Amino acid sequence: AQSVTQLGSHVSVSEGALVLLRCNYSSSVPPYLFWYVQYPNQGLQLLLKYTSAATLVKGINGFEAEFKKSETSFHLTKPSAHMSDAAEYFCAVSDLTGGGADGLTFGKGTHLIIQP
Amino acid sequence: DSGVTQTPKHLITATGQRVTLRCSPRSGDLSVYWYQQSLDQGLQFLIQYYNGEERAKGNILERFSAQQFPDLHSELNLSSLELGDSALYFCASSVGWGTGEYNEQFFGPGTRLTVL
Repeated sequence: AQSVTQLGSHVSVSEGALVLLRCNYSSSVPPYLFWYVQYPNQGLQLLLKYTSAATLVKGINGFEAEFKKSETSFHLTKPSAHMSDAAEYFCAVSDLTGGGADGLTFGKGTHLIIQP
Repeated sequence: DSGVTQTPKHLITATGQRVTLRCSPRSGDLSVYWYQQSLDQGLQFLIQYYNGEERAKGNILERFSAQQFPDLHSELNLSSLELGDSALYFCASSVGWGTGEYNEQFFGPGTRLTVL
């Protein structure tokens, strides 16, 4: 069964600094990987996804993530943090062992704090 | 706005009671997924329906059940409620089934259930 580990339940960066949120996955087959963002009192919004095409994936709001099979990682980065980036970020994984009909497996989430 | 609607927004009830949560998917989407978000367990996939049929099951308790109606809206029924069932329940919808490249899940704003 697949699983996702997000390192750091809270990450604090200064406005304008690099954002790096870590995600490692465990899957028996090459997975599809996702990053979602959740703003307070809202549902989840897809930031980006890896589906076995390019290993460097660009998403919305200036975020990108790189799939590294050798490290089983899919870290999320943004070159310059904005105050509006403060939110909860979730890494999620799916694999195709169940015939593709399955929900997503989410990490515990990382709360991103932006310091002015 | 993802186009997925959930009602009610908040629900407060007592232990032992039964509640029904409702979800209307985006127009054209045939799949509906239910997720539970709690402090203890994080975000967990519960169950998926595709075009009225159960498609995949996750960590759904036997006290919980769901269905998808001919108009594609879905209901999640929670019975014999316990304090630990207090959580945010999300519905997501997608065009098809599986988590492939073209089958993005769009999340609703959630229903916050409080069991007293």
